[in-house]
Amino acid sequence: NAGVTQTPKFRVLKTGQSMTLLCAQDMNHEYMYWYRQDPGMGLRLIHYSVGEGTTAKGEVPDGYNVSRLKKQNFLLGLESAAPSQTSVYFCASRDGLASGSAGQYFGPGTRLTVT
Amino acid sequence: AQKITQTQPGMFVQEKEAVTLDCTYDTSDPSYGLFWYKQPSSGEMIFLIYQGSYDQQNATEGRYSLNFQKARKSANLVISASQLGDSAMYFCAMREIGQAGTALIFGKGTTLSVSS
Repeated sequence: NAGVTQTPKFRVLKTGQSMTLLCAQDMNHEYMYWYRQDPGMGLRLIHYSVGEGTTAKGEVPDGYNVSRLKKQNFLLGLESAAPSQTSVYFCASRDGLASGSAGQYFGPGTRLTVT
Repeated sequence: AQKITQTQPGMFVQEKEAVTLDCTYDTSDPSYGLFWYKQPSSGEMIFLIYQGSYDQQNATEGRYSLNFQKARKSANLVISASQLGDSAMYFCAMREIGQAGTALIFGKGTTLSVSS
C-alpha cells in the first residue's frame, strides 16, 4: 500500500514549456486535490475532483488544467509554464465515505522550478 | 468564504516547555472540521489532530491538544513538553463538512523552533 505517490519529485522547466504532474493513490479514494505551496502562503487549492471524470476549480486555477480519467490518478498540467508557477505541488486524496474527521492523505510533493 | 488565520509567523520554545500555536477561523457553515498538520524540513505533511464543530470535548492526541473556543472561532494547538523533533512548520486547516468533496483550506503556517 503505497498511499499517495507523485511523479516526478523534482523538475526544472524553461518558460513556455509544458509538463504533466501525475498523482496516484491506491486507497480507492473518491476525492483528490492539487495544492501549491509557496513561502509564506501556506497551501492553496488549485483544482480538485470528487470522482472519476469530474474536476472543479479551486482558489488558484489559472495556468493549470487537470484530468481524472481513472479513479486512482489525478493529473495536473501546465500548458505554458511561467516563473510564477515555481512552487512545491502537493497532491492529496480522501475517502468519500469517511466521516468529516477523515483527513486528507498527502503525497510527498513535487518541487518545480520554472526559469 | 471560509478563512484560516495564523498570526504567528514564528515561535520559539525551549525543550520540555509547552507552547500554544494560534489559529482563528471564519465560516458560515455550522458543520465543519478543524485540523492541524505538521510539516518538518523534509517536506511531508503529517496529520496531528482533528476537532469537529459539534464535539463537546477538546481533542487530544498524545502531547497535542486542541483548545477549541467555538464562540471566539479559535482552534489553538497546544504542544506539551516540547521536543527537538517538534521543530517544524505547523498548519491549521478547516473543511466545511456540509458539501461533499470540499477541500481543506489552510492557514499560512507557523514555524516552531525548539531549542535545548
